[in-house]
Amino acid sequence: SQTIHQWPATLVQPVGSPLSLECTVEGTSNPNLYWYRQAAGRGLQLLFYSVGIGQISSEVPQNLSASRPQDRQFILSSKKLLLSDSGFYLCAWSVGQGFGYTFGSGTRLTVV
Amino acid sequence: QKEVEQDPGPLSVPEGAIVSLNCTYSNSAFQYFMWYRQYSRKGPELLMYTYSSGNKEDGRFTAQVDKSSKYISLFIRDSQPSDSATYLCAAHGPYGGATNKLIFGTGTLLAVQP
Repeated sequence: SQTIHQWPATLVQPVGSPLSLECTVEGTSNPNLYWYRQAAGRGLQLLFYSVGIGQISSEVPQNLSASRPQDRQFILSSKKLLLSDSGFYLCAWSVGQGFGYTFGSGTRLTVV
Repeated sequence: QKEVEQDPGPLSVPEGAIVSLNCTYSNSAFQYFMWYRQYSRKGPELLMYTYSSGNKEDGRFTAQVDKSSKYISLFIRDSQPSDSATYLCAAHGPYGGATNKLIFGTGTLLAVQP
């Protein structure tokens, strides 16, 4: 069966520090991968999505970036965090059509 | 205007009540409609999905889509305290088209009181 792993679960980082969040998927090949951010009262905001290795589409201009070095690995990064980067970051995958997205357990990031 | 609008609630109901959760959307290209349930501090989990207009039933849950009015509904019968969560509606356009991503509403917080 397919599983998605996301870590760490919780992270507290100072302003200006770098960020690296990792997501891996097991049990499927060539998935579509997504990074979402969920801020309180603002729903899920799509940040990046990828349909294949090295293919990244950015939805929101910001100081975050994403990379997909392997088929089932998706990484969210930042060189210098801002206070506004605080939130709940969710990785998701999908394959095929009409089956919805499957989400990881999320990383709660607090920038202080 | 947000592409998918949802009343954030909170909505509080007694155990056993019928719950009605609703969303509206603005993009007529949306074809796939989904409901996710999210418990506190967890990732969303897919609850129901429908294609185009119509109803879909799964146990105590019924999803309804009316494309003519751009209205999405989720009904929960015999609600239980374990149904207490945030419910997010989502919509997706034709795969491979211009709206080829899942757009979410802000979520409705539901509390079912025992």
